[in-house]
Amino acid sequence: EVQLVQSGAEVKKPGESLKISCKGSGYSFTSYWIGWVRQMPGKGLEWMGIIYPGDSDTRYSPSFQGQVTISADKSISTAYLQWSSLKASDTAMYYCARLRITMVQGVGAFDIWGQGTMVTVSS
Amino acid sequence: EIVLTQSPGTLSLSPGERATLSCRASQSVSSSYLAWYQQKPGQAPRLLIYGASSRATGIPDRFSGSGSGTDFTLTISRLEPEDFAVYYCQQYGSSPGFGQGTKVEIK
Repeated sequence: EVQLVQSGAEVKKPGESLKISCKGSGYSFTSYWIGWVRQMPGKGLEWMGIIYPGDSDTRYSPSFQGQVTISADKSISTAYLQWSSLKASDTAMYYCARLRITMVQGVGAFDIWGQGTMVTVSS
Repeated sequence: EIVLTQSPGTLSLSPGERATLSCRASQSVSSSYLAWYQQKPGQAPRLLIYGASSRATGIPDRFSGSGSGTDFTLTISRLEPEDFAVYYCQQYGSSPGFGQGTKVEIK
């Protein structure tokens, strides 16, 4: 079964760092782009960025460039989303999702989703 | 940046009725790089439609997508109880992004 399993919920204080994970299984992890999507409480979906685990090519939304870092460790089929200094406004559900393969690199709909990781930032 | 505007914000319908959801883009969406997702409370989104009109694996044929350029539509031919949810459109070409969502609620 193709699946993405994310790490558990986190509660952090402003200024702290955090790295959440997304482990893929049931498919060739290095052959598909993985993306991250933010959903703030009661709000819609926001496309954050994507990474190709095969060569770590990474692309960010301008809204998230410099605010987060996306990385991957292909040896353990895991993608990451990290913050160096959290803010209260980072409180949200974060989903990882697999990009469906198309003819164009880094372009595609998200066909497989993780279960989400809730990040709460509060003093 | 392409802005996607979904309408209506909320659609109140009864099971068995037809649902028509609209997604309008501020610029033409290249190569019909337009997808639709369904999200139920407490769940991750699920891909329904990609390429504007292709159903994803396992999606019932009561869901259909159409449109091109700047105007796209998701149609649910006959609403089943499990179809009441929030639906998002997404363009995944240049600077990917999502619409704000349409909630389909039971009338």
